[in-house]
Amino acid sequence: EVQLVESGGGFVQPGGSLRLSCAASGFTFSNFWMHWVRQAPGKGLVWVSCINNDGSRTNYVDSVKGRFTISRDNAKNTLYLQMNSPRAEDTAVYYCARGGSTPHWGQGSLVTVSS
Amino acid sequence: QSVLTQPPSASGTPGQRVTISCSGSSSNIGSNIVNWYQQLPGTAPKPLIYSNNQRPSGVPDRFSGSKSGASASLAISGLQSEDEADYYCATWDDSLNGWVFGGGTKLTVL
Repeated sequence: EVQLVESGGGFVQPGGSLRLSCAASGFTFSNFWMHWVRQAPGKGLVWVSCINNDGSRTNYVDSVKGRFTISRDNAKNTLYLQMNSPRAEDTAVYYCARGGSTPHWGQGSLVTVSS
Repeated sequence: QSVLTQPPSASGTPGQRVTISCSGSSSNIGSNIVNWYQQLPGTAPKPLIYSNNQRPSGVPDRFSGSKSGASASLAISGLQSEDEADYYCATWDDSLNGWVFGGGTKLTVL
């Protein structure tokens, strides 16, 4: 069974840093692109970033470029999102998701940016 | 402002058939597969339709998807009260090099 489990969420001050992790199991992690998607309270889904199979290619939504970094460790079957200099508008539930034709999503991790 | 356009709301009575539209462009829906997600209150989005018209195991055949050109649609037949949820369409965008989503449609079962 495919499982994606996010962790690392919580409270962070504006300008601080936080790293989200997503542990994958039930499939060959290194065969798939991986994504982060977020959902602010009461709002819709917004794609944040993606990374290719071997980690050599990354893409970001404009609003997080230069502040967030996506990475992966295929030996540990884990996806990461390093959030630097977060802003109040980054407050959201962050979901990791598997790419490819058959999507799978995690349950999400809440990040609250507040002083 | 979402890249894909969905109606913000839809409604129907139990047993009815409801359709939710999703409009995009040649750089997204027009050249890539479409997925649909169902999100019940307080829960993570659940894949409902993938690759335009395929259902994951466990999804009832009351749910169906279709795509034509740069538009897609989700149809729900035999509407049930438990279908009350938010529905999102999604696809890859070749210009943005990332996923794009519709703004979501809130389905109410009257």
